[in-house]
Amino acid sequence: AQSVTQPDIHITVSEGASLELRCNYSYGATPYLFWYVQSPGQGLQLLLKYFSGDTLVQGIKGFEAEFKRSQSSFNLRKPSVHWSDAAEYFCAVGGGNKLVFGAGTILRVKS
Amino acid sequence: EAGVAQSPRYKIIEKRQSVAFWCNPISGHATLYWYQQILGQGPKLLIQFQNNGVVDDSQLPKDRFSAERLKGVDSTLKIQPAKLEDSAVYLCASSSAGTLKNSPLHFGNGTRLTVT
Repeated sequence: AQSVTQPDIHITVSEGASLELRCNYSYGATPYLFWYVQSPGQGLQLLLKYFSGDTLVQGIKGFEAEFKRSQSSFNLRKPSVHWSDAAEYFCAVGGGNKLVFGAGTILRVKS
Repeated sequence: EAGVAQSPRYKIIEKRQSVAFWCNPISGHATLYWYQQILGQGPKLLIQFQNNGVVDDSQLPKDRFSAERLKGVDSTLKIQPAKLEDSAVYLCASSSAGTLKNSPLHFGNGTRLTVT
């Protein structure tokens, strides 16, 4: 069965610092992997996705993620965090038409 | 393009009452999803429609939850009777027909349900 683990419930970083959010997945075949962001009171917005090919994928808002098959990981990174990045981030794994989400990581940005 | 529309945004009811949520997907999107997001958890799929047919409702508590998409466009999710543990945000999402590879999910802003 598909599953996603996001080990960090909360992360706090200083504005301008780099960011890495961890995601580990379990899936029987080659997964489709996604990162979504959710601001308070809003729906989920797709940041980036990985299906195949280059294991480093670029997304919106300056985010990138790297797929590492050997570690079953798909960590999200950003070189320099802005205060507006404060939100909750969800990693998801999918196949066919079905998505399974992790529990999310809440990002706090301190000035 | 207009996004996924959901209403109401907020709803507060007492346990054992009934409630309904409405979703209008992006025009032309054949696949519609209802997710339940309990505080502190990721969204969990309740039901998936392809046009007006159910594709997956394996995690829908069918003794109290029901959903329909009669004309293959908008959809209604109902809870009757509600329990305290149903307090959550109910998210609707849609995608055009096909797999996640060529048709990502677009989410609405959700309906926040509080059961007292």
